[in-house]
Amino acid sequence: AQSVTQPDIHITVSEGASLELRCNYSYGATPYLFWYVQSPGQGLQLLLKYFSGDTLVQGIKGFEAEFKRSQSSFNLRKPSVHWSDAAEYFCAVGAVEYGNKLVFGAGTILRVKS
Amino acid sequence: GAVVSQHPSWVICKSGTSVKIECRSLDFQATTMFWYRQFPKQSLMLMATSNEGSKATYEQGVEKDKFLINHASLTLSTLTVTSAHPEDSSFYICSAGEGNQPQHFGDGTRLSIL
Repeated sequence: AQSVTQPDIHITVSEGASLELRCNYSYGATPYLFWYVQSPGQGLQLLLKYFSGDTLVQGIKGFEAEFKRSQSSFNLRKPSVHWSDAAEYFCAVGAVEYGNKLVFGAGTILRVKS
Repeated sequence: GAVVSQHPSWVICKSGTSVKIECRSLDFQATTMFWYRQFPKQSLMLMATSNEGSKATYEQGVEKDKFLINHASLTLSTLTVTSAHPEDSSFYICSAGEGNQPQHFGDGTRLSIL
């Protein structure tokens, strides 16, 4: 069965510090992957996506993610976190073979301390 | 960029009433839309895939008679929660996208059943 694991429920970092949010997946088909961000009471905003090609993808707001097939991982990184980055982050995986339905991780809540 | 509009953003109603939520793709045609449900502090769970001109495909455990989905045009899908009860209170989010392209999410509807 398809599954997405975000092992960290909460992460707290200081403003200006670097950030890495982990995402691991288990999928029976060639996946494509996304990171979304959600502010409280809001919908989801796409940060970045990976379909194929270069395994290091750049997104909005200074985020990047690296697809590592051998580790089944797609970790999200940012070199310097801003207070406005505090939100919940979701990793999602889909595949054409599964009708493009997305499977979401449980989410990681990011807190930024000043 | 592509925009998905969801309406209403907040609904409070009495137990036993039916509630309709609309999801519109504003600047693209969406043959497929997805409906998700999100409980507090939890991830998004796919409820059903809405297919234009045909019946929706429901995920296991989702009552199709309870959650009626209609996708009558390429820009509109509706979710009707019939005879709503307090346990149906949740955050409902729709998304739309073409093929394996990133899905664009509405801002969600917070449903509170008294």
